Amino acid sequence: QYVLTQPPSASGSPGQSVTISCTGTSSDIGSYNYVSWYQQHPGKAPRAIIYDVTQRPSGVPSRFSGSRSGNTASLIVSGLQPEDEADYYCSSYAGSSIVFGGGTKLTVL
Amino acid sequence: EVVLEESGGRPVRPGESLRLSCAGSGFAFEQYGMSWVRQRPGKGLEWVSSTNWNAGTTIHAGPVKGRFTISRDNGKRLLFLQMNNLRVEDTASYYCAREALGRGAFRGSLTHWGLGTMVTVSS
Repeated sequence: QYVLTQPPSASGSPGQSVTISCTGTSSDIGSYNYVSWYQQHPGKAPRAIIYDVTQRPSGVPSRFSGSRSGNTASLIVSGLQPEDEADYYCSSYAGSSIVFGGGTKLTVL
Repeated sequence: EVVLEESGGRPVRPGESLRLSCAGSGFAFEQYGMSWVRQRPGKGLEWVSSTNWNAGTTIHAGPVKGRFTISRDNGKRLLFLQMNNLRVEDTASYYCAREALGRGAFRGSLTHWGLGTMVTVSS
């Protein structure tokens, strides 16, 4: 099982905004500024879209943003595009480990 | 351009050993923490092991502790994962990944990934 809790699915129409949550504890998300989000298309390697809670790697569109409140981190995808349909995973540093969520399948309707 | 290329994955029997390698290029390899992350077929991402810049500090996930060892050769720009006493449940694609910033430590901020190498453990 996975330490971080994500909803198994999310959906939205093109142009809409979608938020994916990632709930941890005070031992991981709540304690460290090292939450990351990864996008994975079928058969492809993961791609980082957010790191250090709010930072976007070079080349990631600005419609992807991250936030955190307490023990819950969120990925916000604004202005959904068809190519955003993918699996999304959150992760957090936890001091003596790195923990992942089970993933959220985002469907663009 | 940052490139990470894994190699060494192949079919093996339970109980056998395997060493995975990851070659890094396009960045100052010795300045970055590195990690291995795996993905079982049809499942999510699972962190395996991480090392700081000189392998002076390494950590391993519970299911692999005592069986897997992460190491690195900064002179050759290589990251390794020595996998001993392999089990059927270790069957997965194994990815090597680099930290976002050259701060030397590992923090799970994995901004660069390789394409992965497949390990299949079956009798």
